[in-house]
Amino acid sequence: AQSVTQPDIHITVSEGASLELRCNYSYGATPYLFWYVQSPGQGLQLLLKYFSGDTLVQGIKGFEAEFKRSQSSFNLRKPSVHWSDAAEYFCAVERGNKLVFGAGTILRVKS
Amino acid sequence: NAGVTQTPKFQVLKTGQSMTLQCAQDMNHNSMYWYRQDPGMGLRLIYYSASEGTTDKGEVPNGYNVSRLNKREFSLRLESAAPSQTSVYFCASSEMRARSGYTFGSGTRLTVV
Repeated sequence: AQSVTQPDIHITVSEGASLELRCNYSYGATPYLFWYVQSPGQGLQLLLKYFSGDTLVQGIKGFEAEFKRSQSSFNLRKPSVHWSDAAEYFCAVERGNKLVFGAGTILRVKS
Repeated sequence: NAGVTQTPKFQVLKTGQSMTLQCAQDMNHNSMYWYRQDPGMGLRLIYYSASEGTTDKGEVPNGYNVSRLNKREFSLRLESAAPSQTSVYFCASSEMRARSGYTFGSGTRLTVV
């Protein structure tokens, strides 16, 4: 069963515009959720993670994500995108001491 | 801080050849993982090692073997490479459990011709 779904393969936003990347998970218990970013030719870097408590979590590089249990979602947001944010973004959920990743969303930033 | 180091960074193999991808971490992490990344499929787990001396299969283990040589090192071996194994391979480690988050290496781009 698919554990993590990222519905958008590609997203293009203008520099300075707001951004929301979607992530839905299918997992019964309270999940441990993550967002990672991958710049071209690089490994993955952790942006933020959610374990419990406040459903709005802050991460690095000005990103935040909101956990919504009722919608099984963990969407990533940024108020104002910079050209350097162009990358691929992966949502992940912990299952059995392993991370299961979504297929990724490629973000393009146009000037 | 080196973090997670993978070697080599690039490799081209002929079908049927064998090779070992090396991974080492210097963060005293207990758990280590091997993933492959293919376009449109995200990262898929090949094998993992929850702690020194243990290894387990992931989602796509066929055609691969692993060795957790010690706490620092976790290698991935392709015994007889196939074109379907052309991919980017990532090694990752976590402090205790996956829920603490991974630190990734920079990847090995493997092409099998």
